[in-house]
Formats: sequence, C-alpha cells, structure tokens
Amino acid sequence: EDQVTQSPEALRLQEGESSSLNCSYTVSGLRGLFWYRQDPGKGPEFLFTLYSAGEEKEKERLKATLTKKESFLHITAPKPEDSATYLCAVQGGGSEKLVFGKGMKLTVNP
Amino acid sequence: GAVVSQHPSWVICKSGTSVKIECRSLDFQATTMFWYRQFPKQSLMLMATSNEGSKATYEQGVEKDKFLINHASLTLSTLTVTSAHPEDSSFYICSARDRTGGDGPQYFGPGTRLLVL
Repeated sequence: EDQVTQSPEALRLQEGESSSLNCSYTVSGLRGLFWYRQDPGKGPEFLFTLYSAGEEKEKERLKATLTKKESFLHITAPKPEDSATYLCAVQGGGSEKLVFGKGMKLTVNP
Repeated sequence: GAVVSQHPSWVICKSGTSVKIECRSLDFQATTMFWYRQFPKQSLMLMATSNEGSKATYEQGVEKDKFLINHASLTLSTLTVTSAHPEDSSFYICSARDRTGGDGPQYFGPGTRLLVL
C-alpha cells in the first residue's frame, strides 16, 4: 500500500529563517510526487511535480528535491505570505489516484 | 492556465434535500476528475474518480447512491449529495487532470462548503 508521511506536522519560523519540510514515501512504481499549498478554506494550489530521483524544481523561495525514499521542500528566507499548509502526494504505478500525506502547517511570523 | 472552478462555493440546505455541486475545468479538457472531502484540520479524502462518459469509481466506504457523480463532458463533472443530513456537512473539493498531461498534476478547484441544517 502506498504511504506518505510528512514531518514535522507544524512548523513556526521567523521571517527570513530558512527550513526544510520532509515527505517520506513508499510507493509501488512512482509515477510522480506532487507538492501542493493549501490556504484555509481553499482548494490546494499546485506547486511542483517530481518524477525521478535527483530531480529538483524551484519556484521563487521554494525548491523541491526528490530521492528514492523522500522529498524535501526547502523554503529560503520565508515571508509571512508563505504561511499555509503544504501537502505532499504520490501517484503509484497503475493508479490514477493521489495518496496524500497529512500535511504540514507552516507559520511564518514577521 | 489549468484553472478549475466549483459552484457554488457555499451552500446551506435543510436536512433531506439534495444539493448539486459543479466542477469545471476552464482552460483544459479533463478526461479524469476527482472528488474529495476534507474535514477540519485533516487532509483530503478521495471519494471517487470519474472518467468522462463512464461510471464513477467510488472509494471504499463511500455510498454511491448518496453521492451521485456525473461526468458529462471533458470539462464538467457534478456531485449530487442526495437526501443530505447534518453529517454530510463538509468541505468538498474537486480536481481535474489535463487529458494531455500524462502523469501530470491534478488541479484543484476552490472547494464547496456544505452545511446541512
């Protein structure tokens, strides 16, 4: 059974204090690992897709990396507007479905 | 690009009535659409997967006669909550995958909050 574990569950940072969010996964035949951002009361917003170990993608202050067992979402010099819940999900072989982690609530204080 | 809309964003109804939620992909065609339910402070729970022109595939424990899904076109899927009860109150979110995207991401709608009185 495909599984995704995100850690920590919650993280508080000061503005400008860089950190990393971890997503560990077990999947049969990875077809894609996805990062989303979700603000309260809204649907998830797509951030990145990673397909193979060693792949990296960047967008503004965010950088996502992938190994065979985990993915990291690095946040560099975060701002208060980066506060949100970050979701990690995987799609395994032979399935259309995404398996989500429980999410990581990030709070960035000014 | 890759915008998904949902309508309505908010609905309040009386117990026993039916509620229909629409999900549209605005700038792409979606062979597959997904319906999720989210409880407060919890992650997304997949309810069903729908493919255009065929019956939806429901996850274990989801009553297909209560949550009717229709995927009438490549840009529209609807979820009807029949005979709604207070325990059906929740945040419902749809998503769609671009038919040309292969293993591309699911794009999510803004969600519909349902309150059953």
